[in-house]
Amino acid sequence: QITLKESGPTLVKPTQTLTLTCTFSGFSLSTSGVGVGWIRQPPGKALEWLALIYWDDDKRYSPSLKSRLTITKDTSKNQVVLTMTNMDPVDTATYYCAHSEIWIQDFDYWGQGTLVTVSS
Amino acid sequence: EIVLTQSPGTLSLSPGERATLSCRASQSVSSSYLAWYQQKPGQAPRLLIYGASSRATGIPDRFSGSGSGTDFTLTISRLEPEDFAVYYCQQYGSSPQWTFGQGTKVEIK
Repeated sequence: QITLKESGPTLVKPTQTLTLTCTFSGFSLSTSGVGVGWIRQPPGKALEWLALIYWDDDKRYSPSLKSRLTITKDTSKNQVVLTMTNMDPVDTATYYCAHSEIWIQDFDYWGQGTLVTVSS
Repeated sequence: EIVLTQSPGTLSLSPGERATLSCRASQSVSSSYLAWYQQKPGQAPRLLIYGASSRATGIPDRFSGSGSGTDFTLTISRLEPEDFAVYYCQQYGSSPQWTFGQGTKVEIK
């Protein structure tokens, strides 16, 4: 059974750096073809893909946010970490992590999401 | 950048009716990499359809996907009360690698 769970601060101040951790079980990020992605959703708005890391440490970023994002993995801990610098109120959103596989490139298992509010 | 445009924005239907949701891409999308998700309030999205027409595990057969190129469709043959939700299409392709449509809300008429 695949599960994912996001953790991190619920409130950050403008200009601060956000660090989110995705802790997962039921699969390994050392297995060929596996990836973990981050997707966010501002309140009442659509989904937006942010970043994804593959089993071989290949990393993909949304071009519009690439300069602010870093994604890393710790295979031994079954964790993926996303950092986003220079947070702004427009970054207020629910942040999800999700499992993916390179052959299909969809997101078949999702975490419950964590709401991050950016406010002074 | 491939933009996915979903229509209509809102679909008002009654239980038992057929729902037809459209997802149009600004450029051709590989059918292998077109997916549909359902999202209910306060919940994470759930994968319904992958590869444009394959149902994900546990998805009822009243959900079906079709299309190719730039035009894709999600059909719900007979709406059940639990099907009223927001639906998103998603593609994988040229940068940005993953994009989502803006969503279609299926509401009870």
